[in-house]
Amino acid sequence: DAKTTQPTSMDCAEGRAANLPCNHSTISGNEYVYWYRQIHSQGPQYIIHGLKNNETNEMASLIITEDRKSSTLILPHATLRDTAVYYCIVRPLYNQGGKLIFGQGTELSVKP
Amino acid sequence: GAGVSQSPRYKVAKRGQDVALRCDPISGHVSLFWYQQALGQGPEFLTYFQNEAQLDKSGLPSDRFFAERPEGSVSTLKIQRTQQEDSAVYLCASSDHKGVLNTGELFFGEGSRLTVL
Repeated sequence: DAKTTQPTSMDCAEGRAANLPCNHSTISGNEYVYWYRQIHSQGPQYIIHGLKNNETNEMASLIITEDRKSSTLILPHATLRDTAVYYCIVRPLYNQGGKLIFGQGTELSVKP
Repeated sequence: GAGVSQSPRYKVAKRGQDVALRCDPISGHVSLFWYQQALGQGPEFLTYFQNEAQLDKSGLPSDRFFAERPEGSVSTLKIQRTQQEDSAVYLCASSDHKGVLNTGELFFGEGSRLTVL
């Protein structure tokens, strides 16, 4: 699986948009970009995934560059409850069972 | 509840003791995963089951670690002769196989925190 690079930590003001970048320059054509987050003392939670088109759901938006070498997760109106570690993961959609390989993630702190 | 349930939530063991950690996946979920998360690190894959078959155990760190899912539902992760480096949170996740192919979504439990003294 391709590796990802994320900033170690980021701050965001409550109510503002949080933009979390991820580099995945070695991504291959059949690999998707997934985002999960882990709130303190909880298990990771799925947020969103995409291949090459921008995606949006009730939690976030995912912007993938045209060359697919990087992406940005956008939380449009961050709240204190969005404070968590955010993981960017790339994996083939049809791998065995859907195993995920986590990196270090970005620790997002939303401040009042 | 309808989520993945893990027990115990906290376990303290003396070095050399055996421990068993249980995972109750979401009903009907075909796939089950175990992860190990050391303090300040991301989760690391241990093993994967599809129904009762253990299809991938490449992440198990040593032969002291053993996982089973005999009836394709509940799973147990057993650690024999625990060492201090085994101290971590052990996370279980499950997925509907069809759902995995469509969304890649794994549903995680809250984990079992193991402390080896």
